[in-house]
Amino acid sequence: QITLKESGPTVVKPTQTLTLTCTLSGFSLSSSGEAVGWIRQPPGKALEWLALIYWDDDKRYSPSLKSRLAITKDTPKNQVVLTMTNMDPVDTGTYYCAHRYYYGYVDYWGQGILVTVSS
Amino acid sequence: EVVMTQSPATLSVSPGERATLSCRASQSVSIDLAWYQQKPGQAPRLLISGASTRAAGIPARFSGSGSGTEFTLTISSLQSEDFAVYYCQQYNNWPWTFGQGTKVEIK
Repeated sequence: QITLKESGPTVVKPTQTLTLTCTLSGFSLSSSGEAVGWIRQPPGKALEWLALIYWDDDKRYSPSLKSRLAITKDTPKNQVVLTMTNMDPVDTGTYYCAHRYYYGYVDYWGQGILVTVSS
Repeated sequence: EVVMTQSPATLSVSPGERATLSCRASQSVSIDLAWYQQKPGQAPRLLISGASTRAAGIPARFSGSGSGTEFTLTISSLQSEDFAVYYCQQYNNWPWTFGQGTKVEIK
């Protein structure tokens, strides 16, 4: 059974860097076709893809946020890490870790972590 | 970036009635279109992929259709557990993008 779980700070101050970790189980990110990404959702608003990392370490970033994002994987630890620099109150929202296999839809979601940006 | 537009924003339906949700893409996405259901405080759940293929465990009352730029999600007979927000997402072009959602509420 595939599961993903997000962890990290729930409150960050403006201008700080956010680091979120997604711990994976039930699959290996070293297997061909696998990918894990991050999706966020501001309160009451729609979903937005942020970043994606493939089994072969290829990466994709949202063009509008590319300069602020970095996604990495630690395969032995079964973890994917997202960093977002220069956080702003508009970045407040729930951040989801997401699994996709071969195609671009999400078949498994983490529970999400609510991150609030406030001084 | 492909812009996904969903309509209506809110759909008021009585239990047992049919609900039809629309999703339009700003350019062709072939059949690379998924639908998700999200309930308050929960992560989204995959309903449909490839525009019309139900995900595992999804009831037959959910069906998807369309290709290119026009897509439809139909719930044939709404059950109480179906009142939620529904999102479409294209995965033909990165960045993959979601629509703004359609809230299905009890009439």
